[in-house]
Amino acid sequence: TQLLEQSPQFLSIQEGENLTVYCNSSSVFSSLQWYRQEPGEGPVLLVTVVTGGEVKKLKRLTFQFGDARKDSSLHITAAQPGDTGLYLCARYHGSSNTGKLIFGQGTTLQVKP
Amino acid sequence: DSGVTQTPKHLITATGQRVTLRCSPRSGDLSVYWYQQSLDQGLQFLIQYYNGEERAKGNILERFSAQQFPDLHSELNLSSLELGDSALYFCASSVWAGDGNTIYFGEGSWLTVV
Repeated sequence: TQLLEQSPQFLSIQEGENLTVYCNSSSVFSSLQWYRQEPGEGPVLLVTVVTGGEVKKLKRLTFQFGDARKDSSLHITAAQPGDTGLYLCARYHGSSNTGKLIFGQGTTLQVKP
Repeated sequence: DSGVTQTPKHLITATGQRVTLRCSPRSGDLSVYWYQQSLDQGLQFLIQYYNGEERAKGNILERFSAQQFPDLHSELNLSSLELGDSALYFCASSVWAGDGNTIYFGEGSWLTVV
């Protein structure tokens, strides 16, 4: 099972700053998902990227899939305290109706007001 | 609200005991997944069911078992509990299982073993 490595593991920044979280693998994958998890809740899907080089924007969040489809990044512009949480990248491993999401270790983001 | 319901939300039990965690998937979802989340291990896949049939297995301990019933709800049974089993257990569901599919997570069941 191919691992997903996320960096950094922890990030503590001031409100208004920009940040980037990275998700890397040694393997090519057909798609990658980003989730956000708040304390006491389950992960919630933010975006799925499928095409190499793809860029998707979700308000102040920009997601990019590497050209070689081995890495992805999440960039947050002008972070706000409400962005605080655990950010997870994940890829699906399996075949028809059999499989699982494999998650990276996550990046814990704290945005201070 | 993801539509995935897990009970109980919190559970405290003693070592050596057995507990059952219950999951009701979103209406219409045939695939159910169980995950364990601890501080040092992150989100670890345990097991997946599709339409009542076990389809994929992760690093699930032999002391743990699960099943998916005809009405598609699922239960995760944890027995001979150890302190290290203390974790957040998530159930997730999806319409089908495949790449690019959206998987919805419940809010989790906090298990504390004392």
